[in-house]
Amino acid sequence: GAGVSQSPRYKVAKRGQDVALRCDPISGHVSLFWYQQALGQGPEFLTYFQNEAQLDKSGLPSDRFFAERPEGSVSTLKIQRTQQEDSAVYLCASSSSQITNEKLFFGSGTQLSVL
Amino acid sequence: DQQVKQNSPSLSVQEGRISILNCDYTNSMFDYFLWYKKYPAEGPTFLISISSIKDKNEDGRFTVFLNKSAKHLSLHIVPSQPGDSAVYFCAASSASGSRLTFGEGTQLTVNP
Repeated sequence: GAGVSQSPRYKVAKRGQDVALRCDPISGHVSLFWYQQALGQGPEFLTYFQNEAQLDKSGLPSDRFFAERPEGSVSTLKIQRTQQEDSAVYLCASSSSQITNEKLFFGSGTQLSVL
Repeated sequence: DQQVKQNSPSLSVQEGRISILNCDYTNSMFDYFLWYKKYPAEGPTFLISISSIKDKNEDGRFTVFLNKSAKHLSLHIVPSQPGDSAVYFCAASSASGSRLTFGEGTQLTVNP
């Protein structure tokens, strides 16, 4: 496709469940980012990949959060033992640049609701 | 610790008039600034950016001004159009970092 694709669009989980969120970046984009956006707030950085290498994971809020990009294209964000405070929109973004954050292309996000 | 702040949650202007959205930052290491626009149920889309070596960047109806001494930037939209109604996010990055730091966003409503 032409843009960043994320699935599922909506996810409802019971507290304690594990969830997996998928991101298909724009073809050929080497940089991939995950952001978390709580209601009424701006996106907050979670993690960054350059190709298959996870270069920065300092924004992951706990060890329940895990991200991978094994072949340098599709990425999965996994949240184990979900908690209510994990409820947010999870945004994936990609970029052709390895140097700057200019012109990140964002997907529409996955809205996660933990009950 | 909110390093990028947008103090106005909302702004309402008449079609054809100027919209001015403001953003303040605290981290002096930030050297690149961006504005993103977000419609409901969509991801943010890049609008315009400015490097710290400049104080102004213009692209059509959109102009971003940077005042480094005040750690303040603003986005001017002239003339405003109803299709500009969206949430606008200010974001900043540093040369040494890989992340964007976003403000909380300002909901702009342009009334016909």
